[in-house]
Amino acid sequence: DTGVSQNPRHKITKRGQNVTFRCDPISEHNRLYWYRQTLGQGPEFLTYFQNEAQLEKSRLLSDRFSAERPKGSFSTLEIQRTEQGDSAMYLCASSLAGNSPLHFGNGTRLTVT
Amino acid sequence: GQQVMQIPQYQHVQEGEDFTTYCNSSTTLSNIQWYKQRPGGHPVFLIQLVKSGEVKKQKRLTFQFGEAKKNSSLHITATQTTDVGTYFCAGTGANNLFFGTGTRLTVIP
Repeated sequence: DTGVSQNPRHKITKRGQNVTFRCDPISEHNRLYWYRQTLGQGPEFLTYFQNEAQLEKSRLLSDRFSAERPKGSFSTLEIQRTEQGDSAMYLCASSLAGNSPLHFGNGTRLTVT
Repeated sequence: GQQVMQIPQYQHVQEGEDFTTYCNSSTTLSNIQWYKQRPGGHPVFLIQLVKSGEVKKQKRLTFQFGEAKKNSSLHITATQTTDVGTYFCAGTGANNLFFGTGTRLTVIP
């Protein structure tokens, strides 16, 4: 079990630039989640996939955010035209279907200057 | 929308004292999960409660799910410095997991 892998670990970008993060879940897990966490807060749900289908997207997520999981394995999260308010830790988690526990990656810390 | 609140937000205890964090949901939950996040780390799953009134124990940790399935608690007996971190409850919504605001525990040796 190699765990959930996220790349890059850190990303510093200038406001207005696009960024893309990658998540490789645990291989047998068919659910994949993206969360955002800011300092002192709990993880905030962004979106989740069941295999390659994106089943739910938070209403808090603006149109600048898009996520894909094209083959039901790894996933990417893209943020277009980044803003300073996007600075946060972006966490990916995977699980077996249903209400199974989530296994989190180490996250990608985004800093928008 | 679904909200899961936790109290207290912070707790400082002397090593050996007990600690409790409470979790309250605005809606009935199908189940609740608890996670621990060490400083600089990512959330790690501790336990899941499914049944109304369920109580589970893991060594010094006791987890409880309320009768109405809208609240839960985590109690740690005789805290140790290894218990330091933020404890989150997470409730299952329609198809995803909503995390509480967390309780940050500091243990003073």
